[in-house]
Amino acid sequence: QKEVEQNSGPLSVPEGAIASLNCTYSDRGSQSFFWYRQYSGKSPELIMSIYSNGDKEDGRFTAQLNKASQYVSLLIRDSQPSDSATYLCAVKDETGGFKTIFGAGTRLFVKA
Amino acid sequence: DAGVIQSPRHEVTEMGQEVTLRCKPISGHDYLFWYRQTMMRGLELLIYFNNNVPIDDSGMPEDRFSAKMPNASFSTLKIQPSEPRDSAVYFCASSPGNSGANVLTFGAGSRLTVL
Repeated sequence: QKEVEQNSGPLSVPEGAIASLNCTYSDRGSQSFFWYRQYSGKSPELIMSIYSNGDKEDGRFTAQLNKASQYVSLLIRDSQPSDSATYLCAVKDETGGFKTIFGAGTRLFVKA
Repeated sequence: DAGVIQSPRHEVTEMGQEVTLRCKPISGHDYLFWYRQTMMRGLELLIYFNNNVPIDDSGMPEDRFSAKMPNASFSTLKIQPSEPRDSAVYFCASSPGNSGANVLTFGAGSRLTVL
């Protein structure tokens, strides 16, 4: 069974610091990777997608992908209290079809 | 665009009752997904449709669960009879499905409590 693993946290960082969120996946054939943010009581929303090895930057967010190590990470620079949420790592199942498998999520707290 | 619209937002029912959850996907999105989220199991895919056709229902927990998509703008997830262990937040999501990727837009969710 394909798996996406994340540390459930909580991860606590001070305001202005860099938050580093990590994710590993089991299917070596995976090609598409996503980070979703979910505020308490709300639905997940996409914040980053990454398909190639290396870094992808979007504002304060940087996604990093290492397919050889089957590892995806999300860096949040200059963390703000408004970044406090659960971050879900997601991987597209490449064995046919259009399924996305989600990790359990990492809870992030940014202290003011 | 109003996004993915789900109803009801909250449902409290008694064990044994039928529950119907509804979803309107984003216009033009070819894929519709039903997910269930609990603290214990996280976000689980129940079933998904492509162009109104069910493609993969392997995540549907048992025969008490059924889903339909009679047209491109409407889908239902039905639980009959409901049990307390079905208590969860049920999300509907849609995707345009282009470029081979799978970017999902989620609805606000339906929080189900079965007493």
